[in-house]
Amino acid sequence: AQKVTQAQTEISVVEKEDVTLDCVYETRDTTYYLFWYKQPPSGELVFLIRRNSFDEQNEISGRYSWNFQKSTSSFNFTITASQVVDSAVYFCAPPKSTASKLTFGTGTRLQVTL
Amino acid sequence: NAGVTQTPKFRILKIGQSMTLQCTQDMNHNYMYWYRQDPGMGLKLIYYSVGAGITDKGEVPNGYNVSRSTTEDFPLRLELAAPSQTSVYFCASSLPARVSGNTIYFGEGSWLTVV
Repeated sequence: AQKVTQAQTEISVVEKEDVTLDCVYETRDTTYYLFWYKQPPSGELVFLIRRNSFDEQNEISGRYSWNFQKSTSSFNFTITASQVVDSAVYFCAPPKSTASKLTFGTGTRLQVTL
Repeated sequence: NAGVTQTPKFRILKIGQSMTLQCTQDMNHNYMYWYRQDPGMGLKLIYYSVGAGITDKGEVPNGYNVSRSTTEDFPLRLELAAPSQTSVYFCASSLPARVSGNTIYFGEGSWLTVV
C-alpha cells in the first residue's frame, strides 16, 4: 500500500534559518505522483507541488525547493531563509497513480519565530 | 476565481441533530472528495465521487452520507451528530489523473462542533 512517513512532527526555527521537511514514501507503482500541501493557521489547504515519478530533477520555486530521490524514496522540501508566514502544517501526500482516494499523513508542523 | 466553495464555515450542533455541509465547484471537475481533519491529525477521506451519480466510501464513512446528483455539487450529510464528529471538514475536487496528475483543489474548510 502507498504511504508516507513524515517523521518530524514539529519543527521550530528562527526566521531566516533554512529548514528541510522530510518525506519518505512507499509504493509498488512504477508510475506515480507525489505532492506537498501547506495548511496555514487559517486552515485551508494550499497545493504546493506535484512531482511525476519520471522526473527526478530538483525543483526550485522562490525560497522553496524540493529534492526527489527515487533511490531513497524521499521527497524532501526545503525552505530557504524561512519567514514567519511559512508557519504552517505541511503535508506530503502518499504517491498515487490514480485520482481516487488521495490520503494524507499527519504532516509536519513548522513554527517560524522572530 | 470561486474554485471549491463550502458552506457553512462554522457550525455548532447538538448531539443527535442532523445537518448538511454543502460543497460546490465551478471547475467542471469529475472527482470530488470529503475529508475530515481532527485536531493535530492528518486528513482522513470520508467519501469520494468520480462523477455524477457515483459515490464511494473512503476511510471513515460511518455516520455520513453523500450524494452527487450534479457534477458541481457534493453535499455531505450528518444524520445523527455525535461528539466524535467534531472536526474540520474539507471538500475537494480534481480532474482524473490522466488530465491533472492528481492535483486536488480544496475548499476553505468547515469547522463543526458537536456538543
